[in-house]
Amino acid sequence: KQEVTQIPAALSVPEGENLVLNCSFTDSAIYNLQWFRQDPGKGLTSLLLIQSSQREQTSGRLNASLDKSSGRSTLYIAASQPGDSATYLCAVPSNTGKLIFGQGTTLQVKP
Amino acid sequence: EPEVTQTPSHQVTQMGQEVILRCVPISNHLYFYWYRQILGQKVEFLVSFYNNEISEKSEIFDDQFSVERPDGSNFTLKIRSTKLEDSAMYFCASSDRSAATNEKLFFGSGTQLSVL
Repeated sequence: KQEVTQIPAALSVPEGENLVLNCSFTDSAIYNLQWFRQDPGKGLTSLLLIQSSQREQTSGRLNASLDKSSGRSTLYIAASQPGDSATYLCAVPSNTGKLIFGQGTTLQVKP
Repeated sequence: EPEVTQTPSHQVTQMGQEVILRCVPISNHLYFYWYRQILGQKVEFLVSFYNNEISEKSEIFDDQFSVERPDGSNFTLKIRSTKLEDSAMYFCASSDRSAATNEKLFFGSGTQLSVL
């Protein structure tokens, strides 16, 4: 049974710092991995989808990497800003299409 | 950019009452989902819907839950007799293809359900 874990649960950094969020999964037979952003009381916004055949995917200051063999993905945020403060979730689809989520990392970027 | 819309944003109900949560998926999407997130817990899958029938449902999705696509645009989740433990944020999602392909899933902003 696929399980997704995110570490750390919370992170607080000063503005401008580069940071890495971690996601691990137990079953390496995945189609892709998706990173989402969730603002308090809001929905989920898809940030990046990295396919199983890819090692990296970039969007602006965000870079997601995927290492299937070790069951890990990282989300790298460059030059963090207070507006980046949110909860970041990673998720992988099962072979039936349902997404299995990690518990999220809550990021606070202090001005 | 097209988006998934959900109504209402907040719903308060008494235990034992029926509630209907409404969603309008992105218009050309074919796969529809409901997820929920109890406060402080993971987002968890409830049900997927394709071609006018349920594709998969979780253990949570018992006989008290049902989904319907009554017309070409709406997708609803009904809870027949709400329980206190149904209090959660409910998210609707849609995609053009199955999430088991390399297709992003688009989520609505959620309905916060509070059962008193």
